[in-house]
Amino acid sequence: AQSVSQHNHHVILSEAASLELGCNYSYGGTVNLFWYVQYPGQHLQLLLKYFSGDPLVKGIKGFEAEFIKSKFSFNLRKPSVQWSDTAEYFCAVNARDGTASKLTFGTGTRLQVTL
Amino acid sequence: EPEVTQTPSHQVTQMGQEVILRCVPISNHLYFYWYRQILGQKVEFLVSFYNNEISEKSEIFDDQFSVERPDGSNFTLKIRSTKLEDSAMYFCASSEVMTSGSRQFFGPGTRLTVL
Repeated sequence: AQSVSQHNHHVILSEAASLELGCNYSYGGTVNLFWYVQYPGQHLQLLLKYFSGDPLVKGIKGFEAEFIKSKFSFNLRKPSVQWSDTAEYFCAVNARDGTASKLTFGTGTRLQVTL
Repeated sequence: EPEVTQTPSHQVTQMGQEVILRCVPISNHLYFYWYRQILGQKVEFLVSFYNNEISEKSEIFDDQFSVERPDGSNFTLKIRSTKLEDSAMYFCASSEVMTSGSRQFFGPGTRLTVL
């Protein structure tokens, strides 16, 4: 079974600071990787996903993530955060073998951006 | 962008009571999911559903849980006899297809509090 670790539980940054949120997964086979965001009072939204190809994936709102297979990592980055990026960020994976599509999530990272 | 909706947003119930959580998936989606998140813990997969059948379920999804698509629009999660440990945020999701890379669209969640 797959598992996901997000080591940063709560991150506080000033506006314009750079962001990197860690995500590591554990699984013996091939995975698809996702980052979801949940803004206060809203539903989980897909930020970006990686299936194959270029390991550097660009998503919405200036976010990007890099898949490093040797490190089993899929860290989320943004060069300059805005106050509106305050939200909870979830890394998720699912196994690419078979048709199972259930997502396995990390515990989430709460990002607070201060003005 | 189309959205998944869930009702109620917050449900408070007494231990031992039955609850039904309701979801309206995106209209052209055929695959439906329930996840839950206990406060401070990971978002966990409960069950996936297609063509009026459960496709996959987790070990959490025991005999106390059931899912149903009673009509063409609603997708429900029933907990027959709630326990204190069922207190969590319950998320519904839907997708067009059920391949491992398919994008799942999430609802805003129902917060269930069992007293």
